[in-house]
Amino acid sequence: QKEVEQDPGPLSVPEGAIVSLNCTYSNSAFQYFMWYRQYSRKGPELLMYTYSSGNKEDGRFTAQVDKSSKYISLFIRDSQPSDSATYLCAMSAWNYGQNFVFGPGTRLSVLP
Amino acid sequence: SAVISQKPSRDICQRGTSLTIQCQVDSQVTMMFWYRQQPGQSLTLIATANQGSEATYESGFVIDKFPISRPNLTFSTLTVSNMSPEDSSIYLCSVEAERGGSGNTIYFGEGSWLTVV
Repeated sequence: QKEVEQDPGPLSVPEGAIVSLNCTYSNSAFQYFMWYRQYSRKGPELLMYTYSSGNKEDGRFTAQVDKSSKYISLFIRDSQPSDSATYLCAMSAWNYGQNFVFGPGTRLSVLP
Repeated sequence: SAVISQKPSRDICQRGTSLTIQCQVDSQVTMMFWYRQQPGQSLTLIATANQGSEATYESGFVIDKFPISRPNLTFSTLTVSNMSPEDSSIYLCSVEAERGGSGNTIYFGEGSWLTVV
């Protein structure tokens, strides 16, 4: 079993849809959770950062962490064509960069 | 946060040659990382580069193939040596930086897309 697994995608949705992107993990020590957005031929950019369990909202984006189920989600409300990108989850047991583990990414297309 | 500039942004390289990628950060950072992202794959950490010490390589990556320099707190280079088509990938420079006083996370450069022919 891989340490971090992510819905493989690709995922296509119509503009305005609610999108749910998910990752599962096996290491119960993970406590820092991040979502990165990567546009084609660009580097990943940090989208959301959460510590431990709970929800965090930022505009149209909500990150949800359920440590008991080892499951994290990113919700995008009112999705826009500009949200079309690959979304990578990342997590770490310690707040040190070299320990970050990335999921394989889910490619999202929002169709106008 | 941190702003990271990488160059070249893309290149087409001949088999057997070497290419050096440069990474410049707009602030002093302790930890710099080099990742590889092969087509359709996620990020794989190549090495961690700290200023004033030798880079620490992850399993499967060696210094002879991926020599790294870290001469100061804002700059690093990664060389991909004796390239083969299997080295065709995006190479990403990243740094660990504070998130506005709420802990650290990783920020990435735009990446260097290398195609080996």
